[in-house]
Amino acid sequence: GNSVTQMEGPVTLSEEAFLTINCTYTATGYPSLFWYVQYPGEGLQLLLKATKADDKGSNKGFEATYRKETTSFHLEKGSVQVSDSAVYFCALVLLYNTDKLIFGTGTRLQVFP
Amino acid sequence: SAVISQKPSRDICQRGTSLTIQCQVDSQVTMMFWYRQQPGQSLTLIATANQGSEATYESGFVIDKFPISRPNLTFSTLTVSNMSPEDSSIYLCSVEGDREWTEAFFGQGTRLTVV
Repeated sequence: GNSVTQMEGPVTLSEEAFLTINCTYTATGYPSLFWYVQYPGEGLQLLLKATKADDKGSNKGFEATYRKETTSFHLEKGSVQVSDSAVYFCALVLLYNTDKLIFGTGTRLQVFP
Repeated sequence: SAVISQKPSRDICQRGTSLTIQCQVDSQVTMMFWYRQQPGQSLTLIATANQGSEATYESGFVIDKFPISRPNLTFSTLTVSNMSPEDSSIYLCSVEGDREWTEAFFGQGTRLTVV
């Protein structure tokens, strides 16, 4: 079946540290891939996306590259801020197939000054 | 983009009672989705609600427990029936931005605690 696996959290970093949150997927087809972020007390927001192999999604200093050969979509940021503290969800959708977002378990990021 | 208003934002309910959650979108959308986010876990799709037809439920979810209404293209309700403490979760309403899933939009969620 289709699934998303994320590294478990929490991930605890100091401000300006480098961030990587691992995400791998299993899909019967060619999915579109997403990272969503959930700030405390808020709903999910799309952070970035990639729709085909080798695409790089980027937003707010975050990046993720769609790697078909390793079925991965790892989230990275070169220098995190306290305001990046949130829960990050990796997700996929198979367009015109199941048409449903499938989420990973989420990774909580805590950034300290 | 779409703005989603979800009510209530939180509630504490007695076991055996029912709670209806409302989801209002500021634009017409074809499909609306209801998710459950249990403590420390990911989002699980409960059902897909299309206007003018019965909702489509995912495995493990049934209409008797989670009846859904979709009276028009901007509104939907999810009822959590005959609640037990295991139903304590965050319930989220979502819509897709377009058919290409270039973005999905989520309500702020309803935090339900059953005592």
